[in-house]
Amino acid sequence: QVQLVQSGAEVKKPGASVKVSCKASGYVFTGYYMHWVRQAPGQGLEWMGWINPKSGATNYAQKLQGRVTMTRDTSISTAYMELSGLRSDDTAVYYCARSTTVTTHFDYWSQGTLVTVSS
Amino acid sequence: EIVLTQSPATLSLSPGERATLSCRASQSVSTYLAWYQQRPGQAPRLLIYDASNRAAGIPARFSGSGSGTDFILTISSLEPEDFAVFYCQQRSNWPPRWTFGQGTKVEI
Repeated sequence: QVQLVQSGAEVKKPGASVKVSCKASGYVFTGYYMHWVRQAPGQGLEWMGWINPKSGATNYAQKLQGRVTMTRDTSISTAYMELSGLRSDDTAVYYCARSTTVTTHFDYWSQGTLVTVSS
Repeated sequence: EIVLTQSPATLSLSPGERATLSCRASQSVSTYLAWYQQRPGQAPRLLIYDASNRAAGIPARFSGSGSGTDFILTISSLEPEDFAVFYCQQRSNWPPRWTFGQGTKVEI
């Protein structure tokens, strides 16, 4: 069965960086796109960007350009999302989610990783 | 950027009742619209894709309709587990970028 398992919760200081991992299993990792979506406490969903695990190509939300980097390690079927220059409003649950192609809906989601930014 | 507006913000209903949720796009998105359910403390779950196609394993009481700018998610008869927040999602043409509506909470 398809599973997306993320790394554990993080607490970071303002200005720091955080790197969250998403390990995929139950399907061919390079055959699907991986997206990252975040959700601030009590708020809605915000799409952050996608990575094509096969080619490494990425596309980021304009709001996060320059601060977010998505990478992958195909040898261990894992995608990564790194966010730099953390601010308090980056405090959120970060999800990875899979899509069949770059233009389709997100059919499987991870359990999420809480990132807290606090001094 | 296309903006999705969901209404109402909160829907108060009883089990067995019919729920009708609306999602309006600021410009046409054809049928590139999906619906997700998020229960408290859980990740979102895909319900409907391409406006009207139920995802695998989703009960038949969930249905989606619409095209262009106006979309509806209908839950024909609410079960206790259906009370949650529902989000619509659309993508832009190229490069593909996604936006979500602000959500509709269906509460008992």
